[in-house]
Amino acid sequence: DADVTQTPRNRITKTGKRIMLECSQTKGHDRMYWYRQDPGLGLRLIYYSFDVKDINKGEISDGYSVSRQAQAKFSLSLESAIPNQTALYFCATSRNTIYFGEGSWLTVV
Amino acid sequence: TQLLEQSPQFLSIQEGENLTVYCNSSSVFSSLQWYRQEPGEGPVLLVTVVTGGEVKKLKRLTFQFGDARKDSSLHITAAQPGDTGLYLCAGAGGSGTYKYIFGTGTRLKVLA
Repeated sequence: DADVTQTPRNRITKTGKRIMLECSQTKGHDRMYWYRQDPGLGLRLIYYSFDVKDINKGEISDGYSVSRQAQAKFSLSLESAIPNQTALYFCATSRNTIYFGEGSWLTVV
Repeated sequence: TQLLEQSPQFLSIQEGENLTVYCNSSSVFSSLQWYRQEPGEGPVLLVTVVTGGEVKKLKRLTFQFGDARKDSSLHITAAQPGDTGLYLCAGAGGSGTYKYIFGTGTRLKVLA
């Protein structure tokens, strides 16, 4: 089983809909991250959390929100999805090294 | 805002050639990591460098951290088709922070 699990792996949603991407980890790490990757490009940090009570905005937080429900769970929400949020989203955890989930493809039509 | 610029953005070479990928910033990082990413998968860690001037080797891959901890390079000797992929550098902020910022990526294609 993967140490960092993302659901759903693929989702197509309509403009204006609310969508949540969920992430859970079994590595026992306090630090969790959400990144966005556009085709052929590097990763951009959306939000990060260093413990359950700590939430921080990353480079591109506008249009996104997060919830750290537990040490092992960190969810990303798009309150009103728009087409330019179509991307591959990665959850990650870290202690001294980052471990990534397998990614969630989100298409907003 | 911390930025990491990678160059070149794209690289297509023949099997057996050598290449170097650069990762540059105006910011100081407490550590820097290199990842390789295959299509449809998450990035996989190759190496972490933490000391200015540090050099690490991983088979045909040589990684160097700049003396000032603002830049890094990845050199591949005798590239093989299996080296094809997206190479990403990522820096962790100074003062012990763990906010990882990723570079813009270098897409490498090695032709047989």
